[in-house]
Amino acid sequence: AQSVTQPDIHITVSEGASLELRCNYSYGATPYLFWYVQSPGQGLQLLLKYFSGDTLVQGIKGFEAEFKRSQSSFNLRKPSVHWSDAAEYFCAVGVYSSASKIIFGSGTRLSIRP
Amino acid sequence: DVKVTQSSRYLVKRTGEKVFLECVQDMDHENMFWYRQDPGLGLRLIYFSYDVKMKEKGDIPEGYSVSREKKERFSLILESASTNQTSMYLCAIQKVDNQPQHFGDGTRLSIL
Repeated sequence: AQSVTQPDIHITVSEGASLELRCNYSYGATPYLFWYVQSPGQGLQLLLKYFSGDTLVQGIKGFEAEFKRSQSSFNLRKPSVHWSDAAEYFCAVGVYSSASKIIFGSGTRLSIRP
Repeated sequence: DVKVTQSSRYLVKRTGEKVFLECVQDMDHENMFWYRQDPGLGLRLIYFSYDVKMKEKGDIPEGYSVSREKKERFSLILESASTNQTSMYLCAIQKVDNQPQHFGDGTRLSIL
C-alpha cells in the first residue's frame, strides 16, 4: 500500500540556518510528489511538486526538494530559514486511481529559534 | 489565484445535532475532497467527488455523508454529531487527476 513517512515530528532550527525536512514514500510506480506548508489556523499551501524530469525541484518561498528514486525520498531543503517559515510541513504522494487521491505524511512541525 | 471557501472558520455544535460544512470553489475544478486533520494523524480523507452527484468514500467515511448538487459546491454532513468528530475539517479541490490539490482555510469544529 502507498504510504508517506515523515520521521521528524518536530524540528527546531536557528534563524539563518539551513533546513532539511525528511520524507520517504512507498509506492510501486513513479510517484507524483508534493510538499505543502500549513501556518497555524490556515489551510495547506502548495510549496512545490515533482511529476517527472529534473529531480531537483524549485518551489515558492525559496524552498527546493530533491527526488531520489534509489532512496524513495523527497527531502525538502532551504539554505537559510526565516522566522516566518515556522509552520507545519506535509509531504504527500499522488496515487493513480479513478479520482487521484493524495496520501499525506503526518507532518513535521518547524520552530525557528531567534 | 485558486479560491476555496469554507463557510465557517469555527463552529460549535452539540452531540446528536446534524451538522453541515460547506465548501465552494470558483475554479471550475472537477475533483473535490473533504479531509479531517487531527494532531499526530495528519490528513485523513473522508469523502471525495469527481463530478456532480458523484461521490466516493475515502479512508474514514463512517459517520459522514456528502452532497454535490452543483459543480462548485461540496457539502460534508455529520448526520448525528459525536464528540469524536471534533476536529479541523479541510476542503480541497483538484483540476484533474494527479494535479496538486488546493485547500480552503479549514473549519475547526467542536462537538460538545
